[in-house]
Parts: sequence; C-alpha cells; structure tokens
Amino acid sequence: EDQVTQSPEALRLQEGESSSLNCSYTVSGLRGLFWYRQDPGKGPEFLFTLYSAGEEKEKERLKATLTKKESFLHITAPKPEDSATYLCAVQVYGGSEKLVFGKGTKLTVNP
Amino acid sequence: EAGVTQSPTHLIKTRGQQATLRCSPISGHTSVYWYQQALGLGLQFLLWYDEGEERNRGNFPPRFSGRQFPNYSSELNVNALELEDSALYLCASRFPGLLDSPLHFGNGTRLTVT
Repeated sequence: EDQVTQSPEALRLQEGESSSLNCSYTVSGLRGLFWYRQDPGKGPEFLFTLYSAGEEKEKERLKATLTKKESFLHITAPKPEDSATYLCAVQVYGGSEKLVFGKGTKLTVNP
Repeated sequence: EAGVTQSPTHLIKTRGQQATLRCSPISGHTSVYWYQQALGLGLQFLLWYDEGEERNRGNFPPRFSGRQFPNYSSELNVNALELEDSALYLCASRFPGLLDSPLHFGNGTRLTVT
C-alpha cells in the first residue's frame, strides 16, 4: 500500500530560524511528489511538483528536494506569514490518478 | 482566472439526514476529485470524476456518492449521515490529459453532523 509519512507533526520556529520538513514515502512507482500549503479554514495551495530524484525547486524562502525515498522542504529565514500546515502528496504509476497525502506538518513561526 | 469554487461554505445536518455539496472546477478542467479532511486523519481520497464518468473511488461506503454534470461541475451526496462524517470536504480539479499535474483545490465545505 502506498504510504506517505511527514515529520515532525508540528514545528515551532523563531523568525529567521531556518529548518526542514520531511516527507518519506513508500510507493510502487513514483510519478510525482507534490507540496502544498494549507492555511486554517482554506483548501491546500499548490507549491511544488518534483518528478525525479535529485530534482530541486525553489520559491521565495522555500526549497523542495527529492531523493528516492523522501523529500525535504527547506525553509530559509522564515517569517510569521510562513505559518501554515505543509502537506506532501504522491502520485504513483498504475494507480487511480489520485494523490495520496501525508498528515502534514504544522509550522508556527514566531516574530 | 477563477479558482475552484465550492458551496455551501458551511453545512449543519442531523444524523440520518442527507447532505449535498457542490463544486465548480477551474475553467477548462474536466477532472474533479473529492477529498475528506477529518481532524487528525489528513486528506482521504473519496471520488474522481472525468468527462462525466466516475473513474475511481476511495475506501468509503456507498452512501458517499456523486456525479459530474455536462459543464464539468460536480456534486457530492452523503446519505444517512453519521457523526463521524463531520469533516472538511475538499474538491479539486486538474487540467485534462496531464495526469501528473497538480490538483487545484477549493476552500471546502465544512460539514457538521449533530
């Protein structure tokens, strides 16, 4: 069964304190790995897609990387507005074209 | 470009009643996905519609059903509501033919069953 595990469940940072979120996955064949940001009471907002090991994507203070077993979301010098829940999802080959989501990491950045 | 829109924003029902949730995808998107986000469980896949047909469903009982209309909007119906159906129901759409492209989500319908 395809599984996605995110850690930590919650992370509290001071403004400017860089850190990383982890997404490990066990799938039969990875078609794509997706990162989303979700604010309270809102739907997930798409951030990045990664397709193959070694690939990296950047957007402002966020950088996503991918290996054969996990992905990292690096947050550099975070600001309070980066506070949100970050979700990781995978799509597999031969699957139902659905995305399988992890439970997310709730990030809080204190000023 | 308008995003995915869902209605209503909030819905309060009594156990045993039926709920109907609606979704309009992004213009040009023909695939619609429904997910349930219950507290502590993350997003669970419910249903996938494409070109008016149900393509796949997740591990949910048959009282969760839906349909997709000719204009690609979609409806999720939940019959015989149970307390554990209380959750945020999210609809997402995807551009046709790009099955490894991201899903774009609406802001959901918060269903509360009392």
